[in-house]
Amino acid sequence: NAGVTQTPKFQVLKTGQSMTLQCAQDMNHEYMSWYRQDPGMGLRLIHYSVGAGITDQGEVPNGYNVSRSTTEDFPLRLLSAAPSQTSVYFCASSYFGVGNTIYFGEGSWLTVV
Amino acid sequence: DQQVKQNSPSLSVQEGRISILNCDYTNSMFDYFLWYKKYPAEGPTFLISISSIKDKNEDGRFTVFLNKSAKHLSLHIVPSQPGDSAVYFCAASGQGAQKLVFGQGTRLTINP
Repeated sequence: NAGVTQTPKFQVLKTGQSMTLQCAQDMNHEYMSWYRQDPGMGLRLIHYSVGAGITDQGEVPNGYNVSRSTTEDFPLRLLSAAPSQTSVYFCASSYFGVGNTIYFGEGSWLTVV
Repeated sequence: DQQVKQNSPSLSVQEGRISILNCDYTNSMFDYFLWYKKYPAEGPTFLISISSIKDKNEDGRFTVFLNKSAKHLSLHIVPSQPGDSAVYFCAASGQGAQKLVFGQGTRLTINP
């Protein structure tokens, strides 16, 4: 029972490089989302998806792209990494609808130098 | 504009005593509130939730209280155990959406 799986767990990028954080879930959840956690700020929503082919912006979407071609996968792309994107990134998933438990992955630590 | 606030960055409690974690919110459209627990190097895990139509929800040692007029919720842990040492996040959502707005977190330390 894998749940929500994120890769890579750690990554160091140079400013201007691009990369993709992978997220996969095996629970057939419709809803998936990406958050970032910064010191003293809790978790902030980047992008979310309510189903395959449907994505929308969260609170802090600038500098990130997402797509949802399958129910299972929800990759997060950093187009041109900046030091301000140094953070811990969490992917989450749940069945659609308020009241359904949202499950988080273990996190991806990204450092942009 | 911090819509969900946890004003205590840390809390230290003796094992066996009650731990009370507090959370305030400003957006009156929030109607669903959750507490998540997070250990280092792990993702947040769901602990307990409460709908705005209730003022209390219990699950074992954990109870969440909601005071809508004060826009305040609290998490009570009784009795506190060493394994409860973690960072606790309060979160809220509203208008039927699942987009969570998180507080900054409170680091709870249970002392033996």
